[in-house]
Amino acid sequence: AAGVIQSPRHLIKEKRETATLKCYPIPRHDTVYWYQQGPGQDPQFLISFYEKMQSDKGSIPDRFSAQQFSDYHSELNMSSLELGDSALYFCASSRLASGYNEQFFGPGTRLTVL
Amino acid sequence: QKEVEQDPGPLSVPEGAIVSLNCTYSNSAFQYFMWYRQYSRKGPELLMYTYSSGNKEDGRFTAQVDKSSKYISLFIRDSQPSDSATYLCAMKDTGNQFYFGTGTSLTVIP
Repeated sequence: AAGVIQSPRHLIKEKRETATLKCYPIPRHDTVYWYQQGPGQDPQFLISFYEKMQSDKGSIPDRFSAQQFSDYHSELNMSSLELGDSALYFCASSRLASGYNEQFFGPGTRLTVL
Repeated sequence: QKEVEQDPGPLSVPEGAIVSLNCTYSNSAFQYFMWYRQYSRKGPELLMYTYSSGNKEDGRFTAQVDKSSKYISLFIRDSQPSDSATYLCAMKDTGNQFYFGTGTSLTVIP
C-alpha cells in the first residue's frame, strides 16, 4: 500500500538559510499535518491543511510557512533557520472527509542546522 | 498541564512478558484513540485505532479505552525483542488536531 512520502530525507543547512520540506500524502487523503520532533520528545504539532486550506495551527514559528497544493502535496518552508530548528520533521495524512480519523506518518525529514 | 499524559519509562521486560502501556487525558471531548510504535529515527507507525470506549484486539496487541476514567491502555502479549521501540498514544476530538503523549520507551530483553 502507498504510504506518505517525504523529501528530502536528510537536509543540512546553515544558520539563517532557508529550507523547503515536501510531503506527498497517501492517495485520496485530504488532510496533511506537519510535526516537529526533537530528540526524546513527542511530535509537536505545527500546522494542518484540509482540502488545501489551513485547518489548524499549532506551535509553528512565524519564520515557517506551509501550504497544500491542488494535487494535495504540501510544502513546509522554513526561513532564517536557527540551531534549535534541528529536528525530525514529520508529515502525516488522513482522510477526514469520510470520517476516517486514522493518521499515517511519513518517514520524516531530518533537518540539521549548523 | 499537557492534554495527554504518558509515563516516559523506560520500561524493560523479559521476552514473553505481558506489557501494559497507559495514557491519561483531560479532554472529555476526545473520541478517537490511537497507539503508534516508533523505532529510532523512523516515523511513527500506526498500531491500533479505537473509536470511543471499549476493547480492540489485533494479534498480540489489545487496546482498551475507558472514557469514564479518561484512561487508555495498550497491552502487548508474548512480547518480542522486535517490540522494542517507543510507543506513543494519540487522541483527537471531532476537530483536525491530534494530541500525542510523550511516548514510552520499551525494551524487550531476549
